[in-house]
Amino acid sequence: GENVEQHPSTLSVQEGDSAVIKCTYSDSASNYFPWYKQELGKRPQLIIDIRSNVGEKKDQRIAVTLNKTAKHFSLHITETQPEDSAVYFCAASRSNYQLIWGAGTKLIIKP
Amino acid sequence: KAGVTQTPRYLIKTRGQQVTLSCSPISGHRSVSWYQQTPGQGLQFLFEYFSETQRNKGNFPGRFSGRQFSNSRSEMNVSTLELGDSALYLCASSPSGASGEAFFGQGTRLTVV
Repeated sequence: GENVEQHPSTLSVQEGDSAVIKCTYSDSASNYFPWYKQELGKRPQLIIDIRSNVGEKKDQRIAVTLNKTAKHFSLHITETQPEDSAVYFCAASRSNYQLIWGAGTKLIIKP
Repeated sequence: KAGVTQTPRYLIKTRGQQVTLSCSPISGHRSVSWYQQTPGQGLQFLFEYFSETQRNKGNFPGRFSGRQFSNSRSEMNVSTLELGDSALYLCASSPSGASGEAFFGQGTRLTVV
């Protein structure tokens, strides 16, 4: 079946450094790629998303890039802060189909 | 605008019992998806309902079932509970489910003893 692979499973970075999380998807018809952040004990919340007609999208310190040919997309967080510590999930879907989720990346920001 | 509401927030059940969880989506949202999340695990997709019809289904046994009402509220039922069913159950709503943002509820934490 369709799947999304997410790496790394855990990422530890120094506060102020950048963090990059990568996801690879298998369904070439996927056209929507969201990223969710789940803080400890809270619900997942959308932080940024991108559609297949766009190669890159930025929102302040967060950016997502999409390479349709290679079928992978990445989340970039610059100038990391303690509040960025959380589990991040990527997902992919095609229209009217359910989101296929990556396994999650635990991001740890070291002071 | 009220967010996605799940009830109850916490449940303790005995093995072999059944349980029903409820999810009220954001007003106007027609798609409701259910997920199981165990400690340290990702989001395991159970099923999605759209306009009272199950549109997508994950790989869970038949003990897990759901339904959606005409007002888009959804219920999930688990019969013959097993210890391994202990988890956080999340529902998410979206306007149409056609490649759009999913808004999550706070979840129902089910403990099976």
